Amino acid sequence: QSALTQPASVSGSPGQSITISCTGTSSDIGDYNFVSWYQQHPGKAPKVMIYDVSNRPSGISDRFSGSKSGNTASLTISGLQAEDEADYYCTSYTRSSSPDYVFGTGTKVTVL
Amino acid sequence: EVQLVQSGAEVKKPGESLRISCQATGYSLTDYWIGWVRQTPGRGLEWMGITHVGYSDSRYSPSVQGQVTISADKSINTAYLQWSGLKASDTAMFYCAWALDGTMWWADWGQGTLVTVSS
Repeated sequence: QSALTQPASVSGSPGQSITISCTGTSSDIGDYNFVSWYQQHPGKAPKVMIYDVSNRPSGISDRFSGSKSGNTASLTISGLQAEDEADYYCTSYTRSSSPDYVFGTGTKVTVL
Repeated sequence: EVQLVQSGAEVKKPGESLRISCQATGYSLTDYWIGWVRQTPGRGLEWMGITHVGYSDSRYSPSVQGQVTISADKSINTAYLQWSGLKASDTAMFYCAWALDGTMWWADWGQGTLVTVSS
């Protein structure tokens, strides 16, 4: 199972909005609303930011939002802050391979 | 809130065996999955496999099938990732993650276990 495709890097100035895409296939993103997004700061464990395409866990800022169209999911960070600088990974449920999940290639977000 | 506590860093030689652990606290039932994720230096995240702690259903990525064993002991809410013959290429950070049965997202993560394999 190939990884989902994300841009290697995205950058923005404080206060701006950025969007990270995550492109899969009809076997994963296209057929299931089970996309989640994880933030990882250097040397830290990943942390869930969005689940089931567009839901935020308790405690996650509403500056983070998710959506999906066809085989592509997106994470938008609005009002960009210095603390948002991190790596972001999408993951989706997939029916095409074990162990049922596939990660994206990861995106480095830089706050200018 | 569930907390996942992983075993400490390990330094091993090629060919040696190793088992690392991930204990879930703060949740008394066993209707959940534990996933194991590998991250090599400067690289992304990769699913190695998942296991249901309650009934020990384990599923593996083709890239690690036959190379590792994922298991769980529901009596102590602990999952394991085991190698019988380590290679230098197994050097990585390993994270465990927790998902409630019936959900498709990984709500909680362990702090990571660094495994270094070197002669």
